[in-house]
Amino acid sequence: GAVVSQHPSWVICKSGTSVKIECRSLDFQATTMFWYRQFPKQSLMLMATSNEGSKATYEQGVEKDKFLINHASLTLSTLTVTSAHPEDSSFYICSAATYEQYFGPGTRLTVT
Amino acid sequence: DQQVKQNSPSLSVQEGRISILNCDYTNSMFDYFLWYKKYPAEGPTFLISISSIKDKNEDGRFTVFLNKSAKHLSLHIVPSQPGDSAVYFCAARRAGTASKLTFGTGTRLQVTL
Repeated sequence: GAVVSQHPSWVICKSGTSVKIECRSLDFQATTMFWYRQFPKQSLMLMATSNEGSKATYEQGVEKDKFLINHASLTLSTLTVTSAHPEDSSFYICSAATYEQYFGPGTRLTVT
Repeated sequence: DQQVKQNSPSLSVQEGRISILNCDYTNSMFDYFLWYKKYPAEGPTFLISISSIKDKNEDGRFTVFLNKSAKHLSLHIVPSQPGDSAVYFCAARRAGTASKLTFGTGTRLQVTL
């Protein structure tokens, strides 16, 4: 139980385009979903917290207009990286939470 | 401000020996701590956790110790196995449901034959 999926697992896009990453809780309903990014050899940095049906709460320094988060249902949250730039290349991980957080497998984004 | 720190970026241990991974925190509001194991290009996998009302929690080969006065926790793996080779993150959170986690910087464990 407590399986979280992410799609796509990896994506390459051109600079200036937008990319959408999906996070799904497959066998449970998540009241809260979190989005993290991880740079090579660094820690997981929380980007934002989203609750179903309400606006996401962004961490300091994260541009909410650039990283659009939609939490349309208790099993689906999406992260859209708008007007992507090479510095947005990173590993993005979501987690879905009831009491504990369960992590997805991550999405590798490469912006060329 | 790094509120959760893992001062050893890497650790190498022989198979069969004990691995000890350390973690320090600064925020006294943290009262629940977790350890995660992570392979490259994968999400973290939960290993073991401990509440601040305890000083030890054990699960098979994994034991977590918490020293609240020192704001320090450690993960012991005994005996270490080659499959334990991964990056280990400690994380901390405040009381409450699904509150956000603050992660440490990670320690890469290499278990050698």
